[in-house]
Amino acid sequence: QEQVVESGGGVVQPGGSLRLSCGASGFTFSSYGMHWVRQRPGRGLEWVAMLRNDGGDHNYADSVKGRFTISRDNSKNALFLQMHSLRSEDTAVYYCAKSVATFGFHMDVWGKGTRVTVSS
Amino acid sequence: DIVMTQSPDSLAVSLGERATINCKSSQSVLSSSNNKNYLVWYQQKAGQPPSLLISWASTRESGVPDRFSGSGSGTDFTLTINNVQAEDVAVYYCQQCHSSPLTFGGGTKVEIK
Repeated sequence: QEQVVESGGGVVQPGGSLRLSCGASGFTFSSYGMHWVRQRPGRGLEWVAMLRNDGGDHNYADSVKGRFTISRDNSKNALFLQMHSLRSEDTAVYYCAKSVATFGFHMDVWGKGTRVTVSS
Repeated sequence: DIVMTQSPDSLAVSLGERATINCKSSQSVLSSSNNKNYLVWYQQKAGQPPSLLISWASTRESGVPDRFSGSGSGTDFTLTINNVQAEDVAVYYCQQCHSSPLTFGGGTKVEIK
């Protein structure tokens, strides 16, 4: 069955960096765009970034633009989110999600999330 | 950016009754090229990731009970849960996928009265 599993979360100091990973299985990873979505503690969902199936196009939320980079390795069925200059407001559960298309559109497969805590 | 506004923030319904959740977008999410509304609904139960319920405003995903239905077009949308069951307790989110940045509504918490 289609599945994505996030990893790489943890506690990091303000200004620090962290790299999240997402492993995919059960579908042809290279055929689908991918998203990162986050959820701050007790809050709603916030879309973070998306990447075309071939890695050729991407979009970011203004709140992370210039600090986060989304990338993928189709040979390893893996999605990444490199996060720099982390702030307390980046504290959240980060979800990896599969798009229903090659780029954009909505998400039909979600992981369980990985928690990122930015704190000194 | 397209702002998605959901109402109410929360509602309590009796078992077997109907729940109605509204979602309004600040701009139309109807595509003129294919006449599809780029509006989806997700359900998020406590401690779980979101789950896709309805896409294209009114297309129920496989496995979703038919008591869930979506309607609306352009800027105004509704998620209706008929015959609410205990397992429907969750937060429901609408999301527009018409243009980037993709944006979610603030969520509506459904509880049992």
